[in-house]
Amino acid sequence: SAVISQKPSRDICQRGTSLTIQCQVDSQVTMMFWYRQQPGQSLTLIATANQGSEATYESGFVIDKFPISRPNLTFSTLTVSNMSPEDSSIYLCSVAPRLGNTQYFGPGTRLTVL
Amino acid sequence: TQLLEQSPQFLSIQEGENLTVYCNSSSVFSSLQWYRQEPGEGPVLLVTVVTGGEVKKLKRLTFQFGDARKDSSLHITAAQPGDTGLYLCAGVGHNNAGNMLTFGGGTRLMVKP
Repeated sequence: SAVISQKPSRDICQRGTSLTIQCQVDSQVTMMFWYRQQPGQSLTLIATANQGSEATYESGFVIDKFPISRPNLTFSTLTVSNMSPEDSSIYLCSVAPRLGNTQYFGPGTRLTVL
Repeated sequence: TQLLEQSPQFLSIQEGENLTVYCNSSSVFSSLQWYRQEPGEGPVLLVTVVTGGEVKKLKRLTFQFGDARKDSSLHITAAQPGDTGLYLCAGVGHNNAGNMLTFGGGTRLMVKP
Protein backbone atom coordinates (compact mmCIF):
# COMPACT_ATOMS: atom_id res chain seq x y z
CA SER A 1 0.00 0.00 0.00
CA ALA A 2 0.94 3.68 -0.05
CA VAL A 3 0.51 6.51 2.44
CA ILE A 4 -0.79 9.66 0.82
CA SER A 5 -1.09 13.14 2.29
CA GLN A 6 -2.83 16.16 0.85
CA LYS A 7 -2.46 19.84 1.67
CA PRO A 8 -4.49 21.77 2.53
CA SER A 9 -7.10 19.49 4.08
CA ARG A 10 -9.70 22.21 3.58
CA ASP A 11 -9.92 25.82 2.46
CA ILE A 12 -12.46 28.57 1.93
CA CYS A 13 -11.63 30.78 -1.03
CA GLN A 14 -13.02 33.84 -2.76
CA ARG A 15 -14.45 33.76 -6.25
CA GLY A 16 -11.87 34.51 -8.95
CA THR A 17 -8.85 33.32 -6.98
CA SER A 18 -6.81 30.13 -7.48
CA LEU A 19 -5.83 27.35 -5.08
CA THR A 20 -3.03 24.83 -5.45
CA ILE A 21 -3.50 21.44 -3.78
CA GLN A 22 -0.50 19.26 -3.03
CA CYS A 23 -0.34 15.46 -2.99
CA GLN A 24 2.63 13.67 -1.43
CA VAL A 25 3.21 9.90 -1.43
CA ASP A 26 5.60 8.03 0.86
CA SER A 27 7.02 5.93 -1.98
CA GLN A 28 7.61 6.20 -5.70
CA VAL A 29 4.51 5.38 -7.73
CA THR A 30 3.91 4.96 -11.42
CA MET A 31 0.47 6.54 -11.67
CA MET A 32 -1.08 9.53 -9.93
CA PHE A 33 -4.64 10.71 -10.49
CA TRP A 34 -6.81 13.65 -9.49
CA TYR A 35 -10.54 13.27 -8.82
CA ARG A 36 -13.37 15.63 -7.94
CA GLN A 37 -16.20 14.65 -5.62
CA GLN A 38 -19.04 17.16 -5.57
CA PRO A 39 -21.23 17.36 -2.45
CA GLY A 40 -23.16 14.16 -1.91
CA GLN A 41 -21.92 12.64 -5.13
CA SER A 42 -19.46 10.08 -6.44
CA LEU A 43 -15.95 10.58 -7.81
CA THR A 44 -15.16 11.94 -11.25
CA LEU A 45 -11.68 11.62 -12.73
CA ILE A 46 -10.20 14.99 -13.65
CA ALA A 47 -6.86 13.87 -15.07
CA THR A 48 -3.92 11.52 -14.89
CA ALA A 49 -0.75 13.27 -13.72
CA ASN A 50 2.17 12.13 -15.86
CA GLN A 51 5.70 12.47 -14.57
CA GLY A 52 7.76 14.66 -16.84
CA SER A 53 5.00 15.42 -19.33
CA GLU A 54 1.62 17.11 -19.60
CA ALA A 55 -1.30 15.60 -17.71
CA THR A 56 -3.96 13.59 -19.54
CA TYR A 57 -7.35 15.25 -19.01
CA GLU A 58 -10.74 13.60 -19.09
CA SER A 59 -13.65 14.95 -21.08
CA GLY A 60 -14.99 18.16 -19.55
CA PHE A 61 -11.74 19.15 -17.84
CA VAL A 62 -9.10 21.43 -19.37
CA ILE A 63 -5.56 22.41 -18.50
CA ASP A 64 -6.30 26.13 -18.24
CA LYS A 65 -8.82 25.50 -15.46
CA PHE A 66 -7.01 22.64 -13.71
CA PRO A 67 -3.26 22.87 -14.34
CA ILE A 68 -1.39 19.88 -12.94
CA SER A 69 2.27 19.37 -12.17
CA ARG A 70 4.15 16.18 -11.45
CA PRO A 71 7.84 16.93 -11.02
CA ASN A 72 8.77 13.50 -9.66
CA LEU A 73 7.38 10.05 -8.76
CA THR A 74 6.18 11.04 -5.27
CA PHE A 75 4.57 14.47 -5.68
CA SER A 76 1.88 16.22 -7.70
CA THR A 77 -0.11 19.43 -7.54
CA LEU A 78 -3.54 20.38 -8.85
CA THR A 79 -4.48 24.03 -9.22
CA VAL A 80 -8.10 25.11 -9.37
CA SER A 81 -7.97 28.38 -11.31
CA ASN A 82 -10.31 31.36 -11.39
CA MET A 83 -12.63 29.65 -8.94
CA SER A 84 -16.39 29.96 -8.84
CA PRO A 85 -18.88 28.51 -6.31
CA GLU A 86 -19.46 25.59 -8.71
CA ASP A 87 -15.89 24.47 -7.98
CA SER A 88 -16.81 23.76 -4.36
CA SER A 89 -15.97 20.07 -4.01
CA ILE A 90 -13.68 17.57 -2.42
CA TYR A 91 -10.55 17.07 -4.53
CA LEU A 92 -8.87 13.70 -4.13
CA CYS A 93 -5.47 12.47 -5.17
CA SER A 94 -4.96 8.77 -5.80
CA VAL A 95 -1.93 6.68 -6.70
CA ALA A 96 -1.25 3.32 -8.28
CA PRO A 97 2.19 1.97 -7.39
CA ARG A 98 2.40 0.12 -10.70
CA LEU A 99 0.50 0.13 -13.97
CA GLY A 100 -2.68 -1.88 -13.52
CA ASN A 101 -2.24 -1.90 -9.75
CA THR A 102 -4.77 -0.98 -7.09
CA GLN A 103 -5.39 2.73 -6.52
CA TYR A 104 -4.97 4.23 -3.07
CA PHE A 105 -6.67 7.50 -2.18
CA GLY A 106 -5.55 10.48 -0.18
CA PRO A 107 -7.82 12.02 2.48
CA GLY A 108 -9.03 14.73 0.12
CA THR A 109 -9.10 18.54 0.15
CA ARG A 110 -12.48 20.09 0.89
CA LEU A 111 -12.78 23.35 -1.06
CA THR A 112 -15.51 25.92 -0.51
CA VAL A 113 -15.71 28.88 -2.90
CA LEU A 114 -17.71 31.88 -1.76
CA THR B 1 -17.84 6.17 -22.19
CA GLN B 2 -18.32 3.41 -19.65
CA LEU B 3 -21.05 4.12 -17.11
CA LEU B 4 -21.86 2.38 -13.86
CA GLU B 5 -25.29 2.67 -12.29
CA GLN B 6 -25.42 2.02 -8.59
CA SER B 7 -28.57 1.41 -6.55
CA PRO B 8 -30.01 2.30 -4.19
CA GLN B 9 -28.62 5.81 -3.74
CA PHE B 10 -29.62 5.94 -0.09
CA LEU B 11 -30.38 3.25 2.43
CA SER B 12 -31.35 3.65 6.06
CA ILE B 13 -31.81 0.43 8.02
CA GLN B 14 -31.84 -0.88 11.56
CA GLU B 15 -28.93 -2.73 13.10
CA GLY B 16 -29.18 -6.45 12.35
CA GLU B 17 -30.90 -6.11 8.98
CA ASN B 18 -29.47 -7.39 5.72
CA LEU B 19 -28.99 -5.30 2.59
CA THR B 20 -27.78 -5.54 -0.99
CA VAL B 21 -26.24 -2.83 -3.14
CA TYR B 22 -26.20 -3.24 -6.91
CA CYS B 23 -23.80 -1.95 -9.55
CA ASN B 24 -24.79 -2.33 -13.22
CA SER B 25 -23.31 -1.41 -16.56
CA SER B 26 -23.78 -2.11 -20.24
CA SER B 27 -20.00 -2.29 -20.57
CA VAL B 28 -17.60 -5.10 -19.71
CA PHE B 29 -14.89 -4.32 -17.18
CA SER B 30 -11.61 -6.15 -16.69
CA SER B 31 -12.34 -6.08 -12.96
CA LEU B 32 -14.55 -4.28 -10.49
CA GLN B 33 -13.73 -2.78 -7.14
CA TRP B 34 -15.79 -1.84 -4.10
CA TYR B 35 -14.77 1.03 -1.83
CA ARG B 36 -16.10 2.45 1.42
CA GLN B 37 -15.70 6.14 2.21
CA GLU B 38 -16.24 7.80 5.56
CA PRO B 39 -16.69 11.57 6.05
CA GLY B 40 -13.42 13.49 5.78
CA GLU B 41 -11.52 10.57 4.31
CA GLY B 42 -10.73 9.15 0.92
CA PRO B 43 -12.28 5.90 -0.35
CA VAL B 44 -10.75 2.73 1.05
CA LEU B 45 -10.63 -0.38 -1.11
CA LEU B 46 -12.68 -3.31 0.23
CA VAL B 47 -12.29 -5.86 -2.55
CA THR B 48 -11.47 -6.42 -6.21
CA VAL B 49 -13.38 -9.01 -8.23
CA VAL B 50 -11.80 -10.16 -11.45
CA THR B 51 -13.40 -13.35 -12.77
CA GLY B 52 -16.96 -13.54 -14.08
CA GLY B 53 -19.15 -15.24 -11.46
CA GLU B 54 -16.58 -14.69 -8.73
CA VAL B 55 -17.79 -14.45 -5.13
CA LYS B 56 -15.62 -12.97 -2.38
CA LYS B 57 -16.41 -12.73 1.31
CA LEU B 58 -15.04 -10.23 3.78
CA LYS B 59 -16.53 -11.06 7.19
CA ARG B 60 -20.21 -10.04 6.88
CA LEU B 61 -19.75 -8.60 3.38
CA THR B 62 -20.26 -10.74 0.27
CA PHE B 63 -19.23 -9.43 -3.14
CA GLN B 64 -20.27 -10.99 -6.44
CA PHE B 65 -19.15 -10.26 -9.99
CA GLY B 66 -21.64 -11.04 -12.75
CA ASP B 67 -20.89 -13.82 -15.20
CA ALA B 68 -20.56 -11.30 -18.05
CA ARG B 69 -18.41 -8.93 -15.93
CA LYS B 70 -20.91 -6.12 -16.42
CA ASP B 71 -22.48 -6.04 -12.97
CA SER B 72 -21.72 -6.65 -9.33
CA SER B 73 -23.43 -6.74 -5.96
CA LEU B 74 -22.47 -6.18 -2.36
CA HIS B 75 -24.49 -7.95 0.31
CA ILE B 76 -24.11 -7.08 3.99
CA THR B 77 -25.46 -9.51 6.57
CA ALA B 78 -26.57 -8.32 10.00
CA ALA B 79 -25.54 -4.71 9.42
CA GLN B 80 -23.94 -2.79 12.27
CA PRO B 81 -23.67 0.97 12.93
CA GLY B 82 -19.98 0.71 12.02
CA ASP B 83 -21.01 -0.20 8.46
CA THR B 84 -22.38 3.32 7.99
CA GLY B 85 -20.70 5.11 5.09
CA LEU B 86 -20.64 5.74 1.37
CA TYR B 87 -20.16 2.57 -0.68
CA LEU B 88 -18.73 3.00 -4.16
CA CYS B 89 -18.30 0.51 -6.95
CA ALA B 90 -15.66 1.23 -9.58
CA GLY B 91 -15.05 -0.50 -12.87
CA VAL B 92 -11.44 -0.91 -13.94
CA GLY B 93 -10.74 -0.08 -17.56
CA HIS B 94 -7.92 1.51 -19.49
CA ASN B 95 -7.20 4.85 -21.09
CA ASN B 96 -4.16 6.00 -22.99
CA ALA B 97 -2.35 6.71 -19.74
CA GLY B 98 -2.98 3.30 -18.20
CA ASN B 99 -5.48 1.90 -15.75
CA MET B 100 -8.44 4.06 -14.80
CA LEU B 101 -11.49 3.75 -12.56
CA THR B 102 -15.07 4.58 -13.49
CA PHE B 103 -17.09 5.12 -10.34
CA GLY B 104 -20.73 4.39 -9.77
CA GLY B 105 -22.92 7.05 -8.18
CA GLY B 106 -22.46 5.64 -4.70
CA THR B 107 -24.80 4.25 -2.03
CA ARG B 108 -25.04 6.16 1.20
CA LEU B 109 -25.79 3.66 3.97
CA MET B 110 -26.92 4.54 7.45
CA VAL B 111 -27.30 1.78 10.03
CA LYS B 112 -29.24 2.85 13.10
CA PRO B 113 -28.56 1.20 16.46
